[in-house]
Amino acid sequence: DGGITQSPKYLFRKEGQNVTLSCEQNLNHDAMYWYRQDPGQGLRLIYYSQIVNDFQKGDIAEGYSVSREKKESFPLTVTSAQKNPTAFYLCASSATGHEQYFGPGTRLTVT
Amino acid sequence: GEDVEQSLFLSVREGDSSVINCTYTDSSSTYLYWYKQEPGAGLQLLTYIFSNMDMKQDQRLTVLLNKKDKHLSLRIADTQTGDSAIYFCAESRGGNNRKLIWGLGTSLAVNP
Repeated sequence: DGGITQSPKYLFRKEGQNVTLSCEQNLNHDAMYWYRQDPGQGLRLIYYSQIVNDFQKGDIAEGYSVSREKKESFPLTVTSAQKNPTAFYLCASSATGHEQYFGPGTRLTVT
Repeated sequence: GEDVEQSLFLSVREGDSSVINCTYTDSSSTYLYWYKQEPGAGLQLLTYIFSNMDMKQDQRLTVLLNKKDKHLSLRIADTQTGDSAIYFCAESRGGNNRKLIWGLGTSLAVNP
């Protein structure tokens, strides 16, 4: 059963703590993406990776970090430097670079 | 303003057709997409159209592209309550197909 999984679906953290969001795909896609979604603001690109061991900053990378050690996995760390971390985080992957397929999302709440 | 613009809300009666509109600014865009997002879920790719096409039909969905006006529309025939969701328009720019530029989404409400 191919697809993109994100875990957990809901995540709660205290302010000042780093937190890592998981994204795994078994679609054999080369490219992977992290987006942040806030109400009324659509999707904003955080980081993307076109190939293993390589990634680029998106439009709002400050306060976030990623790694791409395996083709299947692209974890996102929300660091304590991110001023407004509470949001819905979406991971996507793509084989060709144009059609992107999304995971179910992780809702992060930081208090 | 945003590079990709959509109206924020649309309300239709069940069984009617829905038309969701989108305007974009980059004439070099190669692909244009429509995604659907149900509450609390990820985005589902509905359909896409290549920039050299005028129309694409897939079952109840019809995409129309007017390149001169940079206008894209999604028509949903026989709209059902299960079509209630947010619909996002996105474009991929020529030369960098790996990044998509997103609209803010149109919230479609289908009333019985």
